Amino acid sequence: KAGVTQTPRYLIKTRGQQVTLSCSPISGHRSVSWYQQTPGQGLQFLFEYFSETQRNKGNFPGRFSGRQFSNSRSEMNVSTLELGDSALYLCASSLGWQGAHEQYFGPGTRLTVT
Amino acid sequence: GENVEQHPSTLSVQEGDSAVIKCTYSDSASNYFPWYKQELGKGPQLIIDIRSNVGEKKDQRIAVTLNKTAKHFSLHITETQPEDSAVYFCAAKGQKVTFGTGTKLQVIP
Repeated sequence: KAGVTQTPRYLIKTRGQQVTLSCSPISGHRSVSWYQQTPGQGLQFLFEYFSETQRNKGNFPGRFSGRQFSNSRSEMNVSTLELGDSALYLCASSLGWQGAHEQYFGPGTRLTVT
Repeated sequence: GENVEQHPSTLSVQEGDSAVIKCTYSDSASNYFPWYKQELGKGPQLIIDIRSNVGEKKDQRIAVTLNKTAKHFSLHITETQPEDSAVYFCAAKGQKVTFGTGTKLQVIP
């Protein structure tokens, strides 16, 4: 069974630009969660989507948004990029709601904002 | 919101020795406690988890214990091997998943 895939793996953007990251969950998984990982703040929860609906949201500004498609694939968008947005963005998929089922992480997208 | 503290931040052990990583959480509503191993350049990998209705769970060389009253849980790795070297994260799940700050484990051959 294929694991969670994320594209692109690496990205370099300039301050003020916007970026879209993609995540394909494990086949059959309906929940996708997004996390930001930085050396200073660690792993922080961004949001969770289940059956195309945002189920839960972390404490991030509105510049961070996401969506989920009917095939469970998810995208995350960051607008008006700031230097502090440089991070590893991880997505995780689970069979159902993240609290009830194990999460499996993808390899992440390394975003660098210059 | 939930706060998860993890100790130690770094841990060096000799191959064959045991390693223990401890976490405490603040939200008494948390009911799911996974542990992840993250190797360089990879995403976190679930290695073991425990739910609040269980006090201990073991999987080969790895075990997790949970003390709900004290709100702490621990990861125990026995007979450590060099390939156990990685960063380990604990997490607590109530409404949302909150991760600990990570423990860098180094197993010295």
